[in-house]
Amino acid sequence: SQQGEEDPQALSIQEGENATMNCSYKTSINNLQWYRQNSGRGLVHLILIRSNEREKHSGRLRVTLDTSKKSSSLLITASRAADTASYFCATDPKGSNYQLIWGAGTKLIIKP
Amino acid sequence: EAQVTQNPRYLITVTGKKLTVTCSQNMNHEYMSWYRQDPGLGLRQIYYSMNVEVTDKGDVPEGYKVSRKEKRNFPLILESPSPNQTSLYFCASSSGQGFFQPQHFGDGTRLSIL
Repeated sequence: SQQGEEDPQALSIQEGENATMNCSYKTSINNLQWYRQNSGRGLVHLILIRSNEREKHSGRLRVTLDTSKKSSSLLITASRAADTASYFCATDPKGSNYQLIWGAGTKLIIKP
Repeated sequence: EAQVTQNPRYLITVTGKKLTVTCSQNMNHEYMSWYRQDPGLGLRQIYYSMNVEVTDKGDVPEGYKVSRKEKRNFPLILESPSPNQTSLYFCASSSGQGFFQPQHFGDGTRLSIL
């Protein structure tokens, strides 16, 4: 079942600009994870944020979580051509049967 | 190097010819799962396994089988493949401790059923 929805579906920006992607979900969660997928390759884990956390940083990545709005955002600062990829959020719903729920992804293109 | 290895990476075959996609992880992870990825539909889980000899259906299990006889291996079996199983398949693993931990993905298997 799909509960995560990323927004926008596609985003094209100039190198050096910041990129923001959003994820909304429907049920209470234990944690939310963001992944990157380069074209045709496997997904790579970026950040995990727990339901009691509001913000987390990793290098040029900043993730926020608003459980009252059931939404999260991923900010990539000072984007590089190598950031071109699809980005997915995945939620671990409370009471779930050990299944992560995935969004459909945001396709990010960084123009040189 | 910690990794999830899938084989084959690419396969073109015909309807009805049984095939197996292997998946192996070297991280001693308890949790393993199979996904298929189709354009516009995102990742959909086929089967998952919490540990050896424990498997359960995901969202789209029809037409697939799995087994977990050893901790490191989690093969995906298509007994009688059909064209609607043409897709990009991913195996993933993670530690089974507590809430969901980061998933480690293989590089994918692109399967074409003619």
